[in-house]
Order: sequence, then C-alpha cells, then structure tokens
Amino acid sequence: NAGVMQNPRHLVRRRGQEARLRCSPMKGHSHVYWYRQLPEEGLKFMVYLQKENIIDESGMPKERFSAEFPKEGPSILRIQQVVRGDSAAYFCASSPRLAGEGELFFGEGSRLTVL
Amino acid sequence: KQEVTQIPAALSVPEGENLVLNCSFTDSAIYNLQWFRQDPGKGLTSLLLIQSSQREQTSGRLNASLDKSSGRSTLYIAASQPGDSATYLCAPSGPGFQKLVFGTGTRLLVSP
Repeated sequence: NAGVMQNPRHLVRRRGQEARLRCSPMKGHSHVYWYRQLPEEGLKFMVYLQKENIIDESGMPKERFSAEFPKEGPSILRIQQVVRGDSAAYFCASSPRLAGEGELFFGEGSRLTVL
Repeated sequence: KQEVTQIPAALSVPEGENLVLNCSFTDSAIYNLQWFRQDPGKGLTSLLLIQSSQREQTSGRLNASLDKSSGRSTLYIAASQPGDSATYLCAPSGPGFQKLVFGTGTRLLVSP
C-alpha cells in the first residue's frame, strides 16, 4: 500500500504565475488535509476535504488559494498569481477517518519557490 | 483556539542518553495526540498516536504519555542514537476533531 503521494516535489514559479500541487491519498483514505510550512515555522492547517466536499477551509487565505478533491483523481491545491510569500513547503495528509478518530499519514511535501 | 508549545526548542546530547521532550496544549478537549518526526527537507513520519482515553503508548525505544486534563504530553526516547536526530512534533487533534494543530517542534541532535 503506497503512502501519500505528492507531486511535484519541487516547483519554481515566477510572481504572478499559477501553482498546482497534487496529492494522492493512501488507498482507502477519503479524508485529505493540506498544511503549509513556512521556513523556520511550524505546520499550519489550511483545508480539510472529503471526496467532492470542502469540510473546513478556515486556514486557507481568502484570495488566490483553492482546493478540491474530486470523485476521481488526486486532491489539488491551486495557488493563483503567486507571490514571494507563498514560498513554502505544502504537505498533504490523509486518513481513513476524521483526524480525531485515527492516525494521519503525511506525504513528502511539495516545495514551492516563487522567484 | 488551540495553541501548542514544545520545550525545549532544541536539544543536543551525546549518544546513549535518555531524553524527555515536552508538549503542552491550551485546550484539553482533544480526541487524540500524535507525535511525529521530521527529517530536514522531508515529510512527517508518525511515531505514536495516543487516544484521549489512554495514558501512554510505547513503540520500541519511544514512550509517549498523555495527561489530557493538564494539557501535557511527553515523548521519552531511551538510549538515544545518532539516527534519532530530527525535529519532533506533537499535534493534538481538536477541539472539533477535524484537524491536528502542530507545535513548532523540538530539534534534536544526537552526536556519536
């Protein structure tokens, strides 16, 4: 059973471009969480999704950021018109149940650099 | 709003020492707590999961305890090894049990 797969592992974008980060959860997991880790800071919650539904997006910036988890295919975190402050590591985690009921498994992360 | 503090922020010890890493959280209405390790440039590896009804969990040289009422958890590492060098993160889930809230971690360096 493969772990949580994230791609790309590294992404470089110029200011104003779009970044798309993909996350394939572990097999059988229908709960997906996205976290962001700024340099020298802790992980901050962004969004929690179940298949086709956004459950909690309280950590997501109101503008330029969006997330989806379609019925088929990976979860996507999309950042439009990137700025230098978006440079960070973005981690995806999955669980077969709510985070409060079971273990969360993390991917290796996608590291975004904005020039 | 849940806030998580980890002490110490950094720790450097010689190989073989027993270690205690501390984690405190402000809201005791949690459902569980996970300890992770993160190697530089890597993702998070789950070490231990303690349910709120449990007092402790053990895995090999690792032992984690949870005192939910006082908002504290400790991670005990026995007979530390250089391979244990990493950042250790604790993350309680809840309140609301929909997400984990992370501390800033303890950066551990075990020297041979």
